Amino acid sequence: GQNIDQPTEMTATEGAIVQINCTYQTSGFNGLFWYQQHAGEAPTFLSYNVLDGLEEKGRFSSFLSRSKGYSYLLLKELQMKDSASYLCAVIDSNYQLIWGAGTKLIIKP
Amino acid sequence: GAVVSQHPSWVICKSGTSVKIECRSLDFQATTMFWYRQFPKQSLMLMATSNEGSKATYEQGVEKDKFLINHASLTLSTLTVTSAHPEDSSFYICSASPLLAGDYYEQYFGPGTRLTVT
Repeated sequence: GQNIDQPTEMTATEGAIVQINCTYQTSGFNGLFWYQQHAGEAPTFLSYNVLDGLEEKGRFSSFLSRSKGYSYLLLKELQMKDSASYLCAVIDSNYQLIWGAGTKLIIKP
Repeated sequence: GAVVSQHPSWVICKSGTSVKIECRSLDFQATTMFWYRQFPKQSLMLMATSNEGSKATYEQGVEKDKFLINHASLTLSTLTVTSAHPEDSSFYICSASPLLAGDYYEQYFGPGTRLTVT
């Protein structure tokens, strides 16, 4: 079966750095997304990785290792507004988007 | 760019009635639209995928006669929840993929519609 694993919840301090991991086992791979979702709102796009390596975009970076079926989202200089759920999603060989359950990130002052 | 709107933002209806939710891509043409449902503290659950002018493809376990999807144009898709019951109360989110080749994978999400059935 297809599976995406993310930690359920993480806590970090304002101004610090946090890494949210995502491991996947899917039938094929055509890319991985990270989305941010605040409570009661729809997801917003953060990043898309299809090749190995690190993609940096401001305070957020996303890393992919296809051989390990692994990705992480790195958030730097955390702000209170970063408190949200972070969803990892993988496109499989049938171009279906498989969603992880999301990681709830709690930022403390 | 890439804005998707949904209407209404929230709706309360009585059990047994039907509710229609609209999803529009405002500044791009969406060849494919997706409908998701999300229960509290749970991840997105894909209900169906619709291509403009074609019948929607429903995920396993989603009743196509209960959740009617119409994708009549490249900018509009509608989801009608027929004979709604309290267990249908949820957050319904649509997303759209642009027409341009290579952009299929990225989905732009609407703001969601919160449905409460009493």
